[in-house]
Amino acid sequence: QKEVEQNSGPLSVPEGAIASLNCTYSDRGSQSFFWYRQYSGKSPELIMSIYSNGDKEDGRFTAQLNKASQYVSLLIRDSQPSDSATYLCAVKEGGGGADGLTFGKGTHLIIQP
Amino acid sequence: EAQVTQNPRYLITVTGKKLTVTCSQNMNHEYMSWYRQDPGLGLRQIYYSMNVEVTDKGDVPEGYKVSRKEKRNFPLILESPSPNQTSLYFCASSPQTGEGQPQHFGDGTRLSIL
Repeated sequence: QKEVEQNSGPLSVPEGAIASLNCTYSDRGSQSFFWYRQYSGKSPELIMSIYSNGDKEDGRFTAQLNKASQYVSLLIRDSQPSDSATYLCAVKEGGGGADGLTFGKGTHLIIQP
Repeated sequence: EAQVTQNPRYLITVTGKKLTVTCSQNMNHEYMSWYRQDPGLGLRQIYYSMNVEVTDKGDVPEGYKVSRKEKRNFPLILESPSPNQTSLYFCASSPQTGEGQPQHFGDGTRLSIL
């Protein structure tokens, strides 16, 4: 059974600081990695995707992937109150497999004004 | 506008009364999927479909049925709903199942089975 682990939080970060969210996964065959943001009662919204080792930056967001350690993280710089949400890590087996996404249970992030 | 549309958004019903939650996407995506989301359990896949007439079980298929007669539609059917199916349901679609294809989610359907 594929597993994706996240600390459920809540993770409390002061406004303007860097929020660091972590995720580990069990399936070494995983090829695609995604971070979704979900506000309470709303649908998940894709914010970052990463497929190769290293860092990928998009605005205030940086995704980091280390396949050897089976670890993926999301950094949010200059955190804003609007970043307060649950962040879901999702992992997908690549190569045209029939599997969908395996989600972690999410980390609840609170940005304190 | 590219979107995944679910209906209804909210439904309260009683045990045993058959119901269908519709899902439609206008992006010509091959892959569609249903998830349920419960507190403390996260998002769990119920069923998925790789293309028309091709469906398969996800992690929690018991008590659910799906069909994929047209590419754009992927309804979720609860033949005899029970209270343990009270949950928030999401439909999602993506262009293909290969690497690098994130899924786009509908707005969700909150079901309450009394």
